[in-house]
Amino acid sequence: EAQVTQNPRYLITVTGKKLTVTCSQNMNHEYMSWYRQDPGLGLRQIYYSMNVEVTDKGDVPEGYKVSRKEKRNFPLILESPSPNQTSLYFCATAPYPPSFIGELFFGEGSRLTVL
Amino acid sequence: EDQVTQSPEALRLQEGESSSLNCSYTVSGLRGLFWYRQDPGKGPEFLFTLYSAGEEKEKERLKATLTKKESFLHITAPKPEDSATYLCAVQETSGSRLTFGEGTQLTVNP
Repeated sequence: EAQVTQNPRYLITVTGKKLTVTCSQNMNHEYMSWYRQDPGLGLRQIYYSMNVEVTDKGDVPEGYKVSRKEKRNFPLILESPSPNQTSLYFCATAPYPPSFIGELFFGEGSRLTVL
Repeated sequence: EDQVTQSPEALRLQEGESSSLNCSYTVSGLRGLFWYRQDPGKGPEFLFTLYSAGEEKEKERLKATLTKKESFLHITAPKPEDSATYLCAVQETSGSRLTFGEGTQLTVNP
């Protein structure tokens, strides 16, 4: 079954404690991306990756890092989380960059609360 | 800067009552416009891609249309299981990113 798997699904943490949200896909997709979803602001892109070792900033990259060492994995790293990073995070993948990146497969989401 | 505006923010329908959702966009050149459905607590699910003005796509009770400035998602004789938030996104020709609208929350009452 085609899947985009995120972990953890729910996390409550404290300001400054480094955390990583993992994303793994089994569809051999080249394009992977991270979004955050906030009420009144919609889905905003954090980082994206066109292929292994190729990453680029999205619209709201501040406070986040990513890496793409393997095709299937695209972890999101919060080095020093702050309360304004409390949000619902989605990992998404697409098979044919750059032409059809709009046909995204999304993970189930990771709800992060930073106290 | 690309902009996507969806209206209304929320729509409540009775089962069988057809209606339309709107997605207005501003983009320098359109590569594609995309519709998604999002259920509570889930990730968005891709529905349609529209590439050029005049194009239409259909899936069950949903039909998406595209003009040069906006797209409509028509829902014919909706059922309660059509209740969800519907998201619209655009990709410009020179870009490799999507810009999403804030969505329309649709509730269909039995």
